[in-house]
Amino acid sequence: DAGITQSPRHKVTETGTPVTLRCHQTENHRYMYWYRQDPGHGLRLIHYSYGVKDTDKGEVSDGYSVSRSKTEDFLLTLESATSSQTSVYFCAISEHSQAGELFFGEGSRLTVL
Amino acid sequence: AQTVTQSQPEMSVQEAETVTLSCTYDTSENNYYLFWYKQPPSRQMILVIRQEAYKQQNATENRFSVNFQKAAKSFSLKISDSQLGDTAMYFCAFMIRYTGNQFYFGTGTSLTVIP
Repeated sequence: DAGITQSPRHKVTETGTPVTLRCHQTENHRYMYWYRQDPGHGLRLIHYSYGVKDTDKGEVSDGYSVSRSKTEDFLLTLESATSSQTSVYFCAISEHSQAGELFFGEGSRLTVL
Repeated sequence: AQTVTQSQPEMSVQEAETVTLSCTYDTSENNYYLFWYKQPPSRQMILVIRQEAYKQQNATENRFSVNFQKAAKSFSLKISDSQLGDTAMYFCAFMIRYTGNQFYFGTGTSLTVIP
């Protein structure tokens, strides 16, 4: 299994509080992604990174920011959480040499009350 | 715009029978990969099968095979001899090469295998 660790795995927080989700990989893959999964929407890309300090927005980036200061870590921050951000968040990694396959973390369930 | 459509939100199949999950996609690119991912109740995303768009031969992995119709932009998944462990959500996805490895996912098909 690809070495991807997400933390925390579960979090309950209140509207307006900041939240940071962490993704840590041990595979030295270049690309890292944050997706959210919601019923009826599948997986939607929030942000992705193609190298240290190189990030770009996905289709649902509003309300989220990311940072990648090291190859192995990709942080997703909700500056002021809202109830619409209640979701399951997945981190994923990929590398060209792997023929494009995405490797996923186990997901982080976030509930914003 | 790149889109993936899975028109069957839910499906069921009797154990040991065969089922086909549909997927269509839209892209103007020629060089891409196609994938089926499985998400069982454990929530872990697992790669089921992968197809490279420039290969005409359909990919096969044990009981799983695809019917790839490039001109029609169709990529269906066939599961033969269905097993209870196949119960899961299945996502179709594609990735365009040389564009930052961006992946596009469908909304998923929930498959239930009935004993």
